[in-house]
Amino acid sequence: ETGVTQTPRHLVMGMTNKKSLKCEQHLGHNAMYWYKQSAKKPLELMFVYNFKEQTENNSVPSRFSPECPNSSHLFLHLHTLQPEDSALYLCASSQDRPGRANVLTFGAGSRLTVL
Amino acid sequence: GESVGLHLPTLSVQEGDNSIINCAYSNSASDYFIWYKQESGKGPQFIIDIRSNMDKRQGQRVTVLLNKTVKHLSLQIAATQPGDSAVYFCAENGNAGNMLTFGGGTRLMVKP
Repeated sequence: ETGVTQTPRHLVMGMTNKKSLKCEQHLGHNAMYWYKQSAKKPLELMFVYNFKEQTENNSVPSRFSPECPNSSHLFLHLHTLQPEDSALYLCASSQDRPGRANVLTFGAGSRLTVL
Repeated sequence: GESVGLHLPTLSVQEGDNSIINCAYSNSASDYFIWYKQESGKGPQFIIDIRSNMDKRQGQRVTVLLNKTVKHLSLQIAATQPGDSAVYFCAENGNAGNMLTFGGGTRLMVKP
């Protein structure tokens, strides 16, 4: 375990479903991130939270809705997704605040398939 | 967890040889660089980082070289082992907000 745990590891959903991805970090870090890793693009930053406050929304469609109830937990709520949203969704955390030169610790990812 | 389907440059090396993985970055304002390794079914794992006030940094069997003049970063792996087989990503922090921007990755294949 890397200290960042993501569930579920695999998810298949229809375009009309609503589901959520969960991330939990056990490292005492203050910042958490969602990244998208798709088959045709490099890692893309989606959302950033610092001390539960969203500091970055990288022009992500509203069908993705993040939630950060505390600095250890991060959710990504999914609804009315499109097949092109199929990807590996990676959660990460960092000790220092976003934008500082600090290492991100990643989870193993949630592999999402949208039918 | 690898970027399946992405056309990644591939480096194939013999076990025991040294590997050099290269990365070109575009933003001259970047002052922090980092290398990650991603094995199949896993998330990216930190390998080594370097700040722009250095041109070389060594870890265990790995060395990162930074050439700011030509905006080039390289990762050298000594005595490459089968367990080093993975996709390697470089990242820089030169964009707005100093968030990390990742490159497309290089697949390293180690032949026994």
